[in-house]
Amino acid sequence: AQSVTQPDIHITVSEGASLELRCNYSYGATPYLFWYVQSPGQGLQLLLKYFSGDTLVQGIKGFEAEFKRSQSSFNLRKPSVHWSDAAEYFCAVGSSSGGYQKVTFGIGTKLQVIP
Amino acid sequence: EPEVTQTPSHQVTQMGQEVILRCVPISNHLYFYWYRQILGQKVEFLVSFYNNEISEKSEIFDDQFSVERPDGSNFTLKIRSTKLEDSAMYFCASRGGGIAGELFFGEGSRLTVL
Repeated sequence: AQSVTQPDIHITVSEGASLELRCNYSYGATPYLFWYVQSPGQGLQLLLKYFSGDTLVQGIKGFEAEFKRSQSSFNLRKPSVHWSDAAEYFCAVGSSSGGYQKVTFGIGTKLQVIP
Repeated sequence: EPEVTQTPSHQVTQMGQEVILRCVPISNHLYFYWYRQILGQKVEFLVSFYNNEISEKSEIFDDQFSVERPDGSNFTLKIRSTKLEDSAMYFCASRGGGIAGELFFGEGSRLTVL
């Protein structure tokens, strides 16, 4: 069964500082990987995704993530955090079983940005 | 930009009542999903739906729950005899065809069971 681990439940960074959110996945085949962001009371917005090809993927809002198969990781990064980035971030892994893709989410990392 | 819409945004109900949450997926999408997020917890998969039938469901999705696509546009989640622990945010999602593809989520329907 697929699973996702986000080891950091809560992270606090200063505005302008760099950010890295960790994500490890467990899946038997090549995974489809996603990062979603959820602002308070809002739905889930896709930041970026990895299906194949270049292991460094660029997303919206200046985010990027790198797929490392050897480490089963898909960490999210941003070089300079803005106050508006404060939100909860979910890493997710997708499987394809007969074409019916199911996405499994991690527990989420809540990001706090301080001035 | 096409989007997934959900109604109601918030519903309060008494324990034991039936609730129907509605979703309008993106029009050319083929796969439909319901997820649930209990306050402060992770987003959990409930069910996926394709070609007018359930393709996969989680252990959470027991006989209390049902889904249907009654008219080719709406996708509904029915919860019979609601319990306090059904209080959660319910997200609908859809995606297009093909083996892989991102899920587009709605804004969610918050269900409060009293």
